[in-house]
Amino acid sequence: AAGVIQSPRHLIKEKRETATLKCYPIPRHDTVYWYQQGPGQDPQFLISFYEKMQSDKGSIPDRFSAQQFSDYHSELNMSSLELGDSALYFCASSLGGWGLVDEQFFGPGTRLTVL
Amino acid sequence: DAKTTQPTSMDCAEGRAANLPCNHSTISGNEYVYWYRQIHSQGPQYIIHGLKNIETNEMASLIITEDRKSSTLILPHATLRDTAVYYCIVRVAEGFQKLVFGTGTRLLVSP
Repeated sequence: AAGVIQSPRHLIKEKRETATLKCYPIPRHDTVYWYQQGPGQDPQFLISFYEKMQSDKGSIPDRFSAQQFSDYHSELNMSSLELGDSALYFCASSLGGWGLVDEQFFGPGTRLTVL
Repeated sequence: DAKTTQPTSMDCAEGRAANLPCNHSTISGNEYVYWYRQIHSQGPQYIIHGLKNIETNEMASLIITEDRKSSTLILPHATLRDTAVYYCIVRVAEGFQKLVFGTGTRLLVSP
């Protein structure tokens, strides 16, 4: 079965650079979530999109932005990178909508290292 | 979303049942209990969810107490590959609700 695809899997950037992470949800899934997991920490919700509209927002820095495109893939754009942005970034997808008891399917993650 | 409390860590012998408890005393009537697990640095994996009583699937069973203030995830025959951090999450069931991960239980399955 098709799973959530994330690219790149590993990314190394310098401070103050920009990075773009991509997420391709499971076919027919219309909801995408982004989570950040720092070293030794639990995943923290950043932002989500349902039908290409932002549906919820967590502790996402103003330096980060994201969007969902017409084919439902999503991109997380990170600017002015800081050392503290080094983390695993997970994307998850689900079939959204009111009244649905959904489960979220997670991708393998992108490991971002900021030097 | 209701807050959950889980033991920090648990051990289990391979082949034995692993029983992971979770307290969620402030759960609301429309909130479900979800369990996810994360094997080292992999993306979290959905295990099971339930509203009340007992739910069972190919991976595990979930027993929710009658007052719904606590639950237990049961892995009937734990294997080494079940070593992971297990998260109990309480949330409403709308289709685009975020997951709020607490500290979870680190389960170590040993030979």
